[in-house]
Parts: sequence; structure tokens; C-alpha cells
Amino acid sequence: GAGVSQSPRYKVAKRGQDVALRCDPISGHVSLFWYQQALGQGPEFLTYFQNEAQLDKSGLPSDRFFAERPEGSVSTLKIQRTQQEDSAVYLCASSPGTDQGNSPLHFGNGTRLTVT
Amino acid sequence: KQEVTQIPAALSVPEGENLVLNCSFTDSAIYNLQWFRQDPGKGLTSLLLIQSSQREQTSGRLNASLDKSSGRSTLYIAASQPGDSATYLCAAFNAGKSTFGDGTTLTVKP
Repeated sequence: GAGVSQSPRYKVAKRGQDVALRCDPISGHVSLFWYQQALGQGPEFLTYFQNEAQLDKSGLPSDRFFAERPEGSVSTLKIQRTQQEDSAVYLCASSPGTDQGNSPLHFGNGTRLTVT
Repeated sequence: KQEVTQIPAALSVPEGENLVLNCSFTDSAIYNLQWFRQDPGKGLTSLLLIQSSQREQTSGRLNASLDKSSGRSTLYIAASQPGDSATYLCAAFNAGKSTFGDGTTLTVKP
């Protein structure tokens, strides 16, 4: 079946522009996660949804970052007034359960954001 | 705050060798420990998940162990192949939050 799909694959934004990154999780997956990955580093947790509820947003680096999942499926990560330090790969992952002890994550291929 | 460290950062071995990748974490209050593989320009692929009550998990040529008391996990790869070349990351999970290491980049030479 289809995996986690992210779009766009690449995004170039001028400093100050707003961007929206989309994630289509695997159908039926309850949990959805966003991560930011800088070159040569591991992913950094941004936020976590269980269905449409955003249960943890402690990793969002500033109030310019906003994520939503209004119907409990597709999620959008929005970054307002982009800065050069926002340049990174943004990864989305989903898992079928709510029990984080039993559910491996399924990752998309990410969106590479470059802010010029 | 959870911190995850992976050593070594890079490893190059000839084909056929057995090898061990190390992962250490500072907070033992975890739900599970997961190992992932990442190929260049791609997302992460889950390899093994060890629940906090377990000591090890095996899948094919891969075996992962977990010692919560010492804050360590290892990934053992048997009879390495060139197709195993990738970056291997471990992550400690507590509820919905996860902390990843920076990975070990493995190169297996034919």
C-alpha cells in the first residue's frame, strides 16, 4: 500500500515568505509526527498529533511554526516569515496506534526547505 | 532532558564483517528504543523496536539489545553487505516525544 507522502519534495522560499508543507499519512494511522532534520544530524521532534488532537507541540522552535491536522488525516506544517535558520528537511511520520510502546514509525521522504 | 549519543559517527568495513553500532541515552524512563536506517535523500525506515520491558529484538541479520539500567542499546549486523551502507539512527521514545541520535554512517566495501 501507499506509504507516507510529503509535498512538495523541495521548496525554495525567500526570507520572510510563508510556506506550507503537507503530509499524507498512511490511511488509518492514528498518530502523526513532524520532525526537523539538519544536514548530518538526527531528526529533531517538532510536534505530535493523535487523530486531530495536537498532544505535544513542545518542539516547535518559535511561534512562527504552526501545525494542524483538522480531520485527523492530512497534516500541514506552516512556517510564517521564514528565516535562513529554518532551512532543513522536514520529515513527517505516522504510526497505527496510540501506544508508543508498540508502534514503529513510518516516515515520508521529507520536504527540503531552503530559505534564501 | 533526554540526550542520545551514537558512536562511532562513521564506520567503514569490508563486506562480510560482523559489526556493532552503539547508542547511549541519558534518561532511562523510555517507552521503547527504535533503530532506523536512512539512505541519502530519503526518510527513515524502521528496523527494530525494543519495548522498555524487553532485552533484545532480532530481524534477519540484525539484532538489537537494550540495557535500560546502563542507558545503552546496540545494533549488531551480521555478515555485512554493500547494500547495508546507510546511516543508522537510534531513537528513545517517551509517550509521543522522541529523541534521536545523530547516527552512524556505515560503508560496507565490496
